[in-house]
Amino acid sequence: EAQVTQNPRYLITVTGKKLTVTCSQNMNHEYMSWYRQDPGLGLRQIYYSMNVEVTDKGDVPEGYKVSRKEKRNFPLILESPSPNQTSLYFCASSPAGERASYGYTFGSGTRLTVV
Amino acid sequence: TQLLEQSPQFLSIQEGENLTVYCNSSSVFSSLQWYRQEPGEGPVLLVTVVTGGEVKKLKRLTFQFGDARKDSSLHITAAQPGDTGLYLCAGEVQVNRDDKIIFGKGTRLHILP
Repeated sequence: EAQVTQNPRYLITVTGKKLTVTCSQNMNHEYMSWYRQDPGLGLRQIYYSMNVEVTDKGDVPEGYKVSRKEKRNFPLILESPSPNQTSLYFCASSPAGERASYGYTFGSGTRLTVV
Repeated sequence: TQLLEQSPQFLSIQEGENLTVYCNSSSVFSSLQWYRQEPGEGPVLLVTVVTGGEVKKLKRLTFQFGDARKDSSLHITAAQPGDTGLYLCAGEVQVNRDDKIIFGKGTRLHILP
C-alpha cells in the first residue's frame, strides 16, 4: 500500500531532550515536507525537500532540523525541544513537478507534547 | 503574503441537508486542492482544480474553481455523518521561482445524525 509512515504517533518529552520524528514513504516521491498543525493557525510548513540532499526552510523552521540522505526518508529533528513546539506534526510527499495535480500524501501525524 | 481564507470556520448541520463552504484569496492560484482530514489522521486529497470556472464532482461533493482562479467552493448535497471532518483548501502559487502550496485554516464540519 502506498503510504507515508511517521513514527512515533504520540510522544511526550521534556524540554531540552533531543528527539527525532521519522518519516518514510514508499512511493518513490522526490518531494517531501514537514508541517505542524496548531489550533487557529492551520498547517504551517517547517521544512521541505525537493530531492535527495536538497532541503529548504519553510515558514516556521526555527528550532527544527531535517536531513534527506535517502529518497524515502525525511526525519525531523528537534535538537532542544521547547514547550512551544508542542503540536501535531505531519510529513507529506508528492512526485516532483506534480504537486498541483497529484497533491500531497500525508502521514497519520505525530502528536508531540513538550513539558 | 498570500492567504487563503476559509468560511465558515465551523458548521454543524443535520443529516440530509445541503451545505457550501468557501475558500477565498486575493491571489491568483495556478491550481487549488481540497482535502478532508478526519480526527487522528492526516489530510486526504479529494480533488484538484486547475482551470478557471472548472467544476468537478465526486459523488455528493461538487467543487468549483472561480473564473479568476482566486476562490473555490465545495458544495455537499444531502450531507451524511461520514462527511464530518476538517475540510482544507490549498492553493499553488509561485514564490521565488519555486511552486509553493499554501493551506487555508479549514472548515470544521459536523453532520448530526
